[in-house]
Amino acid sequence: DAKTTQPNSMESNEEEPVHLPCNHSTISGTDYIHWYRQLPSQGPEYVIHGLTSNVNNRMASLAIAEDRKSSTLILHRATLRDAAVYYCILSAYGGATNKLIFGTGTLLAVQP
Amino acid sequence: DAGVTQSPTHLIKTRGQHVTLRCSPISGHKSVSWYQQVLGQGPQFIFQYYEKEERGRGNFPDRFSARQFPNYSSELNVNALLLGDSALYLCASSFRDRESSPLHFGNGTRLTVT
Repeated sequence: DAKTTQPNSMESNEEEPVHLPCNHSTISGTDYIHWYRQLPSQGPEYVIHGLTSNVNNRMASLAIAEDRKSSTLILHRATLRDAAVYYCILSAYGGATNKLIFGTGTLLAVQP
Repeated sequence: DAGVTQSPTHLIKTRGQHVTLRCSPISGHKSVSWYQQVLGQGPQFIFQYYEKEERGRGNFPDRFSARQFPNYSSELNVNALLLGDSALYLCASSFRDRESSPLHFGNGTRLTVT
């Protein structure tokens, strides 16, 4: 399974944009890029996923580099509720399962 | 709409005992997956079931087993508990078993083995 590299922690101020980076230099052409987050004392929560093109949804935006070796999760206006561990995960397209291989993620702290 | 529900929320067992954890998926979801999360680490894949058939198994010993019922609910069983089995056990459901189908997680069962 292709691996991802994320910073251990980041800090942001409330109501400012947050850019969470993820490196995946060994990504294959058929790997999807997924982002999940885990708030304290809760299970992981789906945020967004994409293959090649940038993606937007109500929670966030996903910017994928042209060579797909890196991606960035963008929270447009951080709130205190966005404080969580953010996981960047690759999963193979066309596989028999949608299992996820989690790393240790990025712990995002949001300051008021 | 009800999310993924897991029971019990907390459980304390003794080494050598057996435990059964239960999961009810979101209505309409046919795939259920189980993950183990040790403190300070990301969740680790244990099993996936789709339409009552096992679709994937992680690197866990045979003491771990699971099944999915006709109503798509699922059980995770762990025999001969070890101290190292203490963890948060997460269940996730999805509509399909394909990579484009996001997982929806429950809040887990916290298992403590003493």
